[in-house]
Amino acid sequence: QQQVKQSPQSLIVQKGGISIINCAYENTAFDYFPWYQQFPGKGPALLIAIRPDVSEKKEGRFTISFNKSAKQFSLHIMDSQPGDSATYFCAAYRGYYNTDKLIFGTGTRLQVFP
Amino acid sequence: EAQVTQNPRYLITVTGKKLTVTCSQNMNHEYMSWYRQDPGLGLRQIYYSMNVEVTDKGDVPEGYKVSRKEKRNFPLILESPSPNQTSLYFCASSFGTANTEAFFGQGTRLTVV
Repeated sequence: QQQVKQSPQSLIVQKGGISIINCAYENTAFDYFPWYQQFPGKGPALLIAIRPDVSEKKEGRFTISFNKSAKQFSLHIMDSQPGDSATYFCAAYRGYYNTDKLIFGTGTRLQVFP
Repeated sequence: EAQVTQNPRYLITVTGKKLTVTCSQNMNHEYMSWYRQDPGLGLRQIYYSMNVEVTDKGDVPEGYKVSRKEKRNFPLILESPSPNQTSLYFCASSFGTANTEAFFGQGTRLTVV
């Protein structure tokens, strides 16, 4: 059962363009939404994260937009660069009933061409 | 350097031959977990541990075992590997709970034939 749905599966963007990756969740108990970036042959690394009390968070060229009522959040990469080519995972944190885990989306492979 | 170290990085084994993938972190993190990454399925949690001697099942625990005898180490054990366990495995650690930055190892690519 996929609790965090991510789209698109793959994305091709020209250098300088905007990359947008979308995620939707079902469980309103989620209260922490990170994005992880994974380069080939490496483990995922935290890129940026947001909590549901804010609608947007920006760090450099990376912005998370969060819509609590729609239960959706997205990653925007402005001025996309070839070095941004990687797989991106959205995630949501669930901690209740003494369980504690991150639920990941299925990933988006981003390719930025010069 | 703060890191999560997994070994081996690559492993090819035969069905039924017990194996262990080791994971060690040098950040004094309490929380550790194992994930498997499969195309189209993302990262799915296998097991996690909130502290020494405290472990629990994740979303796909069948066929796996773990132990947490020391804070820094969290090995993943496949008692009788099967081909459907062919996957890319990641160990991760974080302070406190999963609600903080998770640091991932480099991954172990396992092939079971």
